[in-house]
Amino acid sequence: DVVMTQSPLSLPVTLGQPASISCRSSQSLVYSDGNTYLNWFHQRPGQSPRRLIYKVSNRDSGVPDRFSGSGSGTDFTLKISRVEAEDVGVYYCMQGTHWPAWTFGQGTKVEIK
Amino acid sequence: EVQLVQSGAEVKKPGESLKISCKTSGYTFTNYWIGWVRQMPGKGLEWMGIIYPGDSDTKYSPSFQGQVSISADKSISTAYLQWSSLKASDTAMYYCARHHGAYWGQGTLVTVSS
Repeated sequence: DVVMTQSPLSLPVTLGQPASISCRSSQSLVYSDGNTYLNWFHQRPGQSPRRLIYKVSNRDSGVPDRFSGSGSGTDFTLKISRVEAEDVGVYYCMQGTHWPAWTFGQGTKVEIK
Repeated sequence: EVQLVQSGAEVKKPGESLKISCKTSGYTFTNYWIGWVRQMPGKGLEWMGIIYPGDSDTKYSPSFQGQVSISADKSISTAYLQWSSLKASDTAMYYCARHHGAYWGQGTLVTVSS
């Protein structure tokens, strides 16, 4: 399986300040069709995950523009330009390039300082 | 509007069988992969397997191969996750999710306890 490694695993942030989460894969995530299937999800306690970003840098509908994704190959980053209270929860990266198993990172817990 | 609505919480005993469902609407069911994700208590997310309802092509994560069965009924746009013999370690929240996690169900909590 492709291993996805996130850092940090815990991220205390100040409201209004930026935040950044790193995600590294054990293999290149470039698929044979030229796309890179790296997604980011946000999960609040007691809720289903919600996809924020797909194919590295594309925001899903309704996702605030303070969220941005970047990266290539094996190295990816999710950035929040100014953290708001509703952004707390756990963030996961996920690779959808390699089967027999799409895989998630371990998760990064974001909390307000 | 795309919706994935899962069946309700289940409490089962070890050794019992179970089939949970994920009813979809708002899109063409046969055109997208749909899969199941496990989240054990306090833990992260794991893809279990995916199915393409158009031709029933099914792929399992090695960790779940032989442990569960995934199926789909095109006539009612519904995907299923099934166990033939539950274990206590199957206690978890199970989510269905459309291709690449674009849409998710609300989750089905499965508790296996004697």
